[in-house]
Amino acid sequence: GDSVTQMEGPVTLSEEAFLTINCTYTATGYPSLFWYVQYPGEGLQLLLKATKADDKGSNKGFEATYRKETTSFHLEKGSVQVSDSAVYFCALTSFGNEKLTFGTGTRLTIIP
Amino acid sequence: DARVTQTPRHKVTEMGQEVTMRCQPILGHNTVFWYRQTMMQGLELLAYFRNRAPLDDSGMPKDRFSAEMPDATLATLKIQPSEPRDSAVYFCASGLWGGGTDTQYFGPGTRLTVL
Repeated sequence: GDSVTQMEGPVTLSEEAFLTINCTYTATGYPSLFWYVQYPGEGLQLLLKATKADDKGSNKGFEATYRKETTSFHLEKGSVQVSDSAVYFCALTSFGNEKLTFGTGTRLTIIP
Repeated sequence: DARVTQTPRHKVTEMGQEVTMRCQPILGHNTVFWYRQTMMQGLELLAYFRNRAPLDDSGMPKDRFSAEMPDATLATLKIQPSEPRDSAVYFCASGLWGGGTDTQYFGPGTRLTVL
């Protein structure tokens, strides 16, 4: 079945540091890939997505590239801010299946 | 800015009581999902609907949980009787399938505490 493996947290970084959160997946066919972010006390928000190989999703300075050869969708940001502190979820949907398969989430804390 | 809304945002109840959570999906979306989030289990899909018809409720404890869509603007999740182990945050999400998109939009959640 489909699965998503995310980098274990928590992750603590200083402001302006470079961020990478690793995500790899197993899926049948050609999945769509997502990063969702959950700020404290809130629901999940779509951060970015990519629907085919080599697509790059980007939003709010975050980027992730759909790598079919390594089955990965790592999240990166060049310079993090305190406001980026949140839990980040990698997820996928398989073709023809609208159910999201989530990773376990990675808690990110940015310190000033 | 269209959003999924959920009520109540917080609910504290005693074991054995009935709990009803409500969700208003984004207007025009044809698919509605219910999730539960706990520290131990993470995010679990409980059930989902397409055009108000249930497609999959295999994630839901059948003996006490029920989910319905009385109309296109309202989805409900009911627990009767509630138990302390049901304490969690319950999220509703909606999306439009068949229109070339596969994104789910989440509501703010209902935080349920069963004493």
